[in-house]
Amino acid sequence: GAVVSQHPSWVICKSGTSVKIECRSLDFQATTMFWYRQFPKQSLMLMATSNEGSKATYEQGVEKDKFLINHASLTLSTLTVTSAHPEDSSFYICSASVGLTSRGQYFGPGTRLTVT
Amino acid sequence: AQKVTQAQTEISVVEKEDVTLDCVYETRDTTYYLFWYKQPPSGELVFLIRRNSFDEQNEISGRYSWNFQKSTSSFNFTITASQVVDSAVYFCALSTGTASKLTFGTGTRLQVTL
Repeated sequence: GAVVSQHPSWVICKSGTSVKIECRSLDFQATTMFWYRQFPKQSLMLMATSNEGSKATYEQGVEKDKFLINHASLTLSTLTVTSAHPEDSSFYICSASVGLTSRGQYFGPGTRLTVT
Repeated sequence: AQKVTQAQTEISVVEKEDVTLDCVYETRDTTYYLFWYKQPPSGELVFLIRRNSFDEQNEISGRYSWNFQKSTSSFNFTITASQVVDSAVYFCALSTGTASKLTFGTGTRLQVTL
C-alpha cells in the first residue's frame, strides 16, 4: 500500500530558530499534499494544501510567512517553521493524495516539535 | 461549509463490552465521503473505512461495524467485544468533491480496561 514518511519523527529546537519537516510519498506520486497541526488532546487542524509546482493554499488564520511550505516534486513536500516559539510546539502531520482514492489521503506518522 | 461532530469526548468501557462511537456530519454537497481513523498513542493515523454518500449499506469488518444513515446525517462506528488494544482516539472525517480535503471531528477517546 501507499506509504508516507516524515522526517524527523521528533525535534527539539530553541526559540527563534527554524526547523524543517519533510514529507515523502515513498511508492507513489502525490499530486496534493496536506499539512495538519494537532495540539494535545485536540483534533487535526488543516494548515495548508500544496500541489506540486505551485504555491500552497493556507487555511484561514495560518501565517504563510511563518509556516513555509514547498512542494518541489511529486514525492516531497517540506514544512519549515520559521522563528519558532514555544506556542508552535505541536504534532505536525502530513498526508498525500493522488486524487480520489478508496482511502482518501495517506497519512505520515507525524513529527513532534518541541520549542524550548 | 462542512462540519463533523463527535459529541462523545471520552468513553470508558470494560473489555468485551460493545461500544458505539457517534458521528454526525453537515454538508450541502450531494457527493461526499465519510471516513473513520484510529489514532493510537503513537500518533500515527490508521485508516479504518471510507464510505461514499451513495452507498448506505452498513459494513462489517471483524469486530468493527459502521452504520451510515443519510436521513440523520450520521455515520456511527461500533466495536463489538472491545479489547484493550482498541484504546485510542477515533476520528470521523468528511471529504467533498475531488480535492479530498478532509474535515475532522474533534475525536472520541476510547479507553478499554480489563
